[in-house]
Amino acid sequence: QQPVQSPQAVILREGEDAVINCSSSKALYSVHWYRQKHGEAPVFLMILLKGGEQMRHEKISASFNEKKQQSSLYLTASQLSYSGTYFCGTEMMKTSYDKVIFGPGTSLSVIP
Amino acid sequence: DARVTQTPRHKVTEMGQEVTMRCQPILGHNTVFWYRQTMMQGLELLAYFRNRAPLDDSGMPKDRFSAEMPDATLATLKIQPSEPRDSAVYFCASGLVVGQGRGYTFGSGTRLTVV
Repeated sequence: QQPVQSPQAVILREGEDAVINCSSSKALYSVHWYRQKHGEAPVFLMILLKGGEQMRHEKISASFNEKKQQSSLYLTASQLSYSGTYFCGTEMMKTSYDKVIFGPGTSLSVIP
Repeated sequence: DARVTQTPRHKVTEMGQEVTMRCQPILGHNTVFWYRQTMMQGLELLAYFRNRAPLDDSGMPKDRFSAEMPDATLATLKIQPSEPRDSAVYFCASGLVVGQGRGYTFGSGTRLTVV
């Protein structure tokens, strides 16, 4: 039931773009995206709901393909501050409560 | 900005001792989660509450872990007796119903080391 994330790790030069994918074998109601910097707590970036629109946080955007149970996070013109581990969290369709299960994370390193 | 407050930030204890971690969710948030993070397992959901009622604690080892919300301003996670394999960072997160388009706010975590 844990979502799958790919890639596991990626290294970018400042200004390059990246895509992080999240997929589930179960029908999804929502997908969350969080970023965690080393030694800190995860920080909420955005949430995509079934039937909702693509979301955006600064130069980071995300989409949700309900038919494929997949979400993608797009990092455009990456900045050094984008470095960290990105987690997707999924909520299954539809339980009576909002239980968010996180994927294993994607480590992103942006270098000058 | 509103914060989720967790105490203690760090805890070192001997195997067999009782450990209690505390969380003060953001005022007005009705959902509280406890997650455990390790390098091997990532972020594991241990338990969560809605309006102080426990909804799911299937991720928690029942024989030694317990989670409670004695009031709306306090959630506790207790381990008794603690074991070295419990060493991890324990996060509390709070929020409102996901369907309203909002995510969760995490506390700074409690780093537990059991020796």
